[in-house]
Amino acid sequence: AQSVTQLDSQVPVFEEAPVELRCNYSSSVSVYLFWYVQYPNQGLQLLLKYLSGSTLVESINGFEAEFNKSQTSFHLRKPSVHISDTAEYFCAVRDHTGRRALTFGSGTRLQVQP
Amino acid sequence: ETGVTQTPRHLVMGMTNKKSLKCEQHLGHNAMYWYKQSAKKPLELMFVYSLEERVENNSVPSRFSPECPNSSHLFLHLHTLQPEDSALYLCASSQGESFLNTEAFFGQGTRLTVV
Repeated sequence: AQSVTQLDSQVPVFEEAPVELRCNYSSSVSVYLFWYVQYPNQGLQLLLKYLSGSTLVESINGFEAEFNKSQTSFHLRKPSVHISDTAEYFCAVRDHTGRRALTFGSGTRLQVQP
Repeated sequence: ETGVTQTPRHLVMGMTNKKSLKCEQHLGHNAMYWYKQSAKKPLELMFVYSLEERVENNSVPSRFSPECPNSSHLFLHLHTLQPEDSALYLCASSQGESFLNTEAFFGQGTRLTVV
């Protein structure tokens, strides 16, 4: 069994400030790790993913996340946020053993203020 | 546009009604999923279909009944729901066999309100 914990339900931040959204997971097997974003009134969209290789992965819109195996974390960061980054962010895992479905955290609402 | 389309976008139903949610994917994927998204809670996996066969059912009450007539379509039939069933219901699809194809594509969801 696996689980995902997102400790912060809401993160308010001013525009152009840095942000970190925390994600910790537990699993008895190796996992793939994902961050999804949900803009208002929309479904989830993949933001970035870690499958293997470099532990630092980046998205096209400036977000990055680093896989830390010893701390079982996959925190999401952005050095300077924009108003348009306001959304709900979900961390998710999927194990390597063939179970297809993703296990999600409860989400973190990022609220960027001018 | 993710290639996964859900209808209707919004649904209000009484506890004695019967309704169905529809999901269609145009991505050629071989697995489809129903998730329930309630406020302040993790997304809950409800059902998984692989090659049109149900492979996972996470102890969902029988008032929710899925149907997967082919690899492109997934339904969720609803009857005698409770107010606590009000939530956003998300459909997703994936092509699960390849190591690289681990991503799930989501529809925009159906916002269900049970009155």
